[in-house]
Amino acid sequence: DAGITQSPRHKVTETGTPVTLRCHQTENHRYMYWYRQDPGHGLRLIHYSYGVKDTDKGEVSDGYSVSRSKTEDFLLTLESATSSQTSVYFCAISGRSDRSSYEQYFGPGTRLTVT
Amino acid sequence: EDKVVQSPLSLVVHEGDTVTLNCSYEVTNFRSLLWYKQEKKAPTFLFMLTSSGIEKKSGRLSSILDKKELFSILNITATQTGDSAVYLCAVTSSGSARQLTFGSGTQLTVLP
Repeated sequence: DAGITQSPRHKVTETGTPVTLRCHQTENHRYMYWYRQDPGHGLRLIHYSYGVKDTDKGEVSDGYSVSRSKTEDFLLTLESATSSQTSVYFCAISGRSDRSSYEQYFGPGTRLTVT
Repeated sequence: EDKVVQSPLSLVVHEGDTVTLNCSYEVTNFRSLLWYKQEKKAPTFLFMLTSSGIEKKSGRLSSILDKKELFSILNITATQTGDSAVYLCAVTSSGSARQLTFGSGTQLTVLP
């Protein structure tokens, strides 16, 4: 298994509060991704990173921002959480520097509830 | 916009049955199609197919890609209760920062 962890694993927060989720990898993968998973929608890409300080928007980026200051860490921030952001968030990694494979490996997920 | 459609949405079988899961796609600059298995946790990688007609096998699971008709199938033979999961299909295109576009998945339930 790829060395990828997410924190926290569970969080309950109130509407309007800021929330930061952390993804940490020990595999030296170049690409990192944040997804949300909701019933009936499958996995949808929020933001991704193709290198340190290099990020871009995915399909559902509104209300989210990201930062990647070093290879190992990719942070997802909800500036002002809303109930529609209640979801399970997965981080994924791809593209170890010595390989050209395209498969992504997923972290264990964070269950976020916004009340 | 890339699109992935999986069918059926759900499937209930008994142990020992053979199942076929379907995935059709529309993607610009197609590179690869991937299958994942998701139990009540994170998706785990099963296969990646890049060339048409190549069958990937791993034990009781196999998959074929048809790049002309734009679909893939995932076969599971001699199903076991441990095969119960959501099976996700995803596609990626060249030059896309390796982004994956996922289908909504097929929920497979294997009864003893």
